[in-house]
Amino acid sequence: LAKTTQPISMDSYEGQEVNITCSHNNIATNDYITWYQQFPSQGPRFIIQGYKTKVTNEVASLFIPADRKSSTLSLPRVSLSDTAVYYCLVGAYSGNTPLVFGKGTRLSVIA
Amino acid sequence: DVKVTQSSRYLVKRTGEKVFLECVQDMDHENMFWYRQDPGLGLRLIYFSYDVKMKEKGDIPEGYSVSREKKERFSLILESASTNQTSMYLCASISGGVRETQYFGPGTRLLVL
Repeated sequence: LAKTTQPISMDSYEGQEVNITCSHNNIATNDYITWYQQFPSQGPRFIIQGYKTKVTNEVASLFIPADRKSSTLSLPRVSLSDTAVYYCLVGAYSGNTPLVFGKGTRLSVIA
Repeated sequence: DVKVTQSSRYLVKRTGEKVFLECVQDMDHENMFWYRQDPGLGLRLIYFSYDVKMKEKGDIPEGYSVSREKKERFSLILESASTNQTSMYLCASISGGVRETQYFGPGTRLLVL
């Protein structure tokens, strides 16, 4: 299973764009990159997933370079409600091989 | 929407008690998981199940057991609760396939006194 490395914490002011980078040097050919968001006292929830290049949805964008050894979650114009822990997972889930959560990045948005 | 529900949001138990944490999902998912989450340690996998009556150990199975008698229900059992099992317990399910994502329940915060 590919291991991931993320910053432990980040701070940002409201209205700024936040980029959280995840390193996954030993990503395998069939691995996908998935990001989850977790608010205090709640379970994680899926926010975005990608394989290569760029993926965008209503919540975030995910940038993946050609070598796929890293990925960047981009949150446009964050608000106080984006304060959460963000997890990067890499893998191709199938049957009895669950993905591994790292410690995540704690994002604090300041007014 | 997929729903994963957990039997309790908060539980207080005494050392040595047998504790049952129940998880139910309504999307006919084959795979279910139990994690615990502690400050600074992220989510750690306790057990998972990829089919009825099947179970696999995760990273930290010691002191826990599980039961999956029906597809929609996955139970975590603490045979004899200890104070170091005070934690947030999260259940998740996933249907399978490389692009599938996990759906998590709201969590159970367990305090063992």
